[in-house]
This record gives sequence, C-alpha cells and structure tokens, in this order.
Amino acid sequence: NAGVTQTPKFQVLKTGQSMTLQCAQDMNHEYMSWYRQDPGMGLRLIHYSVGAGITDQGEVPNGYNVSRSTTEDFPLRLLSAAPSQTSVYFCASSQGRGSPYEQYFGPGTRLTVT
Amino acid sequence: AQTVTQSQPEMSVQEAETVTLSCTYDTSESDYYLFWYKQPPSRQMILVIRQEAYKQQNATENRFSVNFQKAAKSFSLKISDSQLGDAAMYFCAYRRAHGSSNTGKLIFGQGTTLQVKP
Repeated sequence: NAGVTQTPKFQVLKTGQSMTLQCAQDMNHEYMSWYRQDPGMGLRLIHYSVGAGITDQGEVPNGYNVSRSTTEDFPLRLLSAAPSQTSVYFCASSQGRGSPYEQYFGPGTRLTVT
Repeated sequence: AQTVTQSQPEMSVQEAETVTLSCTYDTSESDYYLFWYKQPPSRQMILVIRQEAYKQQNATENRFSVNFQKAAKSFSLKISDSQLGDAAMYFCAYRRAHGSSNTGKLIFGQGTTLQVKP
C-alpha cells in the first residue's frame, strides 16, 4: 500500500491564482480530511468527508473547496489564493469517525502565496 | 468546544535520559480518544501512542508511555532512554468518540519541539 499520497510537495502561487492539491489513499478508508499547519497553532481542520459524495466544513473552510467523487480521492481547491493561505497542508484518512483508529497522514504540501 | 494545550514550546533532553512532555485538554465529553503524534523534520506525521478515555490503564509503546489523568484532563508523554531520532515536534491531539455531530476531527495542541543532545 502506498498509504496517503499528496501532490505537489511544494507550490508557489501568486495572489489570485487558483490550484488544486491532490490527495489519494489506497486503504479503502471512508473518512478523509484536510488540515493546515501554521506555526504555533498546531493543525486545524479545513474540510472533511465521511464517504464518497459527502463532504462538510471544518474549522477553517473559507477560501477552500473540496469534492469526493470516489473513495480514494479527496482534492482540495484553492479558489483565489491569498497570502493568508501560505501554510503546510496535510491530507489524512482513517477507517471511521468515532473510533480510536489511527489517522494516516500524507507527506504534506508546503504552499507559499506571494 | 474542546481545546488542547501544550504549554512547553520547546524541551531538551540528554541522550539516554527521560523527558516528559505535558498536555492538558478541556472537554465536557466522557468518552474520547487522545493521541501523541511525532513530526520529524521530514514533516511526516507519525502516531506515537493512543489512549482511550474509558481505559484506566496508561498506554505504553516501547520507550513511550503516557500518564493519563482523566479527572485532571491531563495527558503527558514520557520518553525513556531518549535517542537522537526522537528529536522532533510532538503534538497532543483529541478526538471525540461518539455523537451525531461528530466530525471525526483531531483537535491538536500547539506542539512541543524536542531537542535531544548527544
């Protein structure tokens, strides 16, 4: 198993540009989520999905869109990049919501918006 | 709302010694899960240890153990026989166990950077 994969690993955008961060998992996990990591703030939930076709907002959803057309893929779209979106982004997956099961994290994408 | 607090931004330990990282949390739930994640310079998030709130026994994983004090809402991580490879940022995290509004999200503390001195 490849686990959770993310592309790209690094990205530089100009303010106003749009892009999609890709995330895929091959563990048949129902639950997937996106976090952003900022210095001194830990990781914060952006959006999550409990299965194909079902998504919902997390703690910091503004400026981001998601969709889940398959169990495997959960892309994160930045609609119009802003410097405040400079961060490290992690995709994660796990077997279920209400469980002690481990959340598996991707390697992260470092995004810089100038 | 649940919160997780790590009050030690940085810690250091001598190789082979023992260090304890602190974590406190706030919740009104009675059933939940607690985790410690390690993030080395590679950025990869690695699960170190987990604790289920209904279990009174403290979790252990080799050199890693926790001191779970449910009444005090405290969840500290003890690393014994510290190794150079333990140098990383450590995050404490909370996850609800049940409820129709359960998003399954992890709520993270701010992180503690651990330095291991040779």
